[in-house]
Amino acid sequence: KQEVTQIPAALSVPEGENLVLNCSFTDSAIYNLQWFRQDPGKGLTSLLLIQSSQREQTSGRLNASLDKSSGRSTLYIAASQPGDSATYLCAVRKDNAGNMLTFGGGTRLMVKP
Amino acid sequence: NAGVTQTPKFQVLKTGQSMTLQCAQDMNHNSMYWYRQDPGMGLRLIYYSASEGTTDKGEVPNGYNVSRLNKREFSLRLESAAPSQTSVYFCASKVAGSSNQPQHFGDGTRLSIL
Repeated sequence: KQEVTQIPAALSVPEGENLVLNCSFTDSAIYNLQWFRQDPGKGLTSLLLIQSSQREQTSGRLNASLDKSSGRSTLYIAASQPGDSATYLCAVRKDNAGNMLTFGGGTRLMVKP
Repeated sequence: NAGVTQTPKFQVLKTGQSMTLQCAQDMNHNSMYWYRQDPGMGLRLIYYSASEGTTDKGEVPNGYNVSRLNKREFSLRLESAAPSQTSVYFCASKVAGSSNQPQHFGDGTRLSIL
């Protein structure tokens, strides 16, 4: 059974810092991996999706990398801002036919002004 | 541009009561999903509907039933609510058959069962 772990569970940084969020998964046979953002009291917003054949994806100040063989992904946030404060979740999809995403528990990020 | 709309936003029930959570999407998506999110945990899939007229169990289906009423609407029913079903429930939808497209989520229904 696939298990997804995110460390740390919570992180507090001063504004302007570059930071890395970690995601690990136990079964390397994945189809893709996604990073989501969740604001308090809101649903999830997709940030980046990496196919299993890809190594990284970038969107603005965000860069997500994937090392499928080692079961790891990182989300890099450059020049963090208070508006980046949210919970970040990663999720893996098993295969093209499947509909199930397996989620990590999330990292709660606070960026202090 | 509403996206995925869930009603109600909050609900308190007593053990044994029943209720239906409603979800509607206006993006013409084929696939729809119901998740639950518990404190400190990621989302877990309860049921999904790959297309209108089909439904399938997810990871944690026990105690729930679903109905895909039409292409737009996908409801989740608790027949006899239990305290263990206290959670935040999210509905999501996605374009079917497109592996590169993410799921779009509603804002959730916060359900407390006393």
